[in-house]
Amino acid sequence: DAKTTQPPSMDCAEGRAANLPCNHSTISGNEYVYWYRQIHSQGPQYIIHGLKNNETNEMASLIITEDRKSSTLILPHATLRDTAVYYCIVRDGGATNKLIFGTGTLLAVQP
Amino acid sequence: NAGVTQTPKFQVLKTGQSMTLQCAQDMNHEYMSWYRQDPGMGLRLIHYSVGAGITDQGEVPNGYNVSRSTTEDFPLRLLSAAPSQTSVYFCASSLGRDRATEAFFGQGTRLTVV
Repeated sequence: DAKTTQPPSMDCAEGRAANLPCNHSTISGNEYVYWYRQIHSQGPQYIIHGLKNNETNEMASLIITEDRKSSTLILPHATLRDTAVYYCIVRDGGATNKLIFGTGTLLAVQP
Repeated sequence: NAGVTQTPKFQVLKTGQSMTLQCAQDMNHEYMSWYRQDPGMGLRLIHYSVGAGITDQGEVPNGYNVSRSTTEDFPLRLLSAAPSQTSVYFCASSLGRDRATEAFFGQGTRLTVV
């Protein structure tokens, strides 16, 4: 089973920041939080990942709470092309590198 | 740089037929995996491999076989297709057991079993 909980859908106005929450209350100390997105049933696309510290790259920022039980993906200036399903994934703590997907959040960016 | 390549992109099978979905990566990745995605759902792990000659089952392995004879290729075989196997299939690869590596996905194979 997926180890994360996300809202099924969210709306965001174009040009505004999109903040996507994720709960992962059972995360263990050596597990990373990963975010992927899937546009129009294409293959999932990697966005960002983190362990404890906040992370930023050219696509997004990832804010992880101090207790690591939740995180927020931030798209700073959402565009229509950011409309997609966003998956928050806690990477399997074993040696297998498995990604276990939940149902994700459908982000709809409105013009 | 091709990344992860899946063939075919579309396939229609009759119930009981067998076929192989191909997946190849040119990034020298150790780890490869197969997922299926049904309408309105997230991806579910079918089989995975941590290196050549090593495979293991995921969440929904029944009805599928895999092998990993080379680092580059990870084919998925449907032994006797059933309508319940109608789905979109994604192959993914990543560097290895390091938890901090990203996975790259192919563009999918859309399979219909009639």
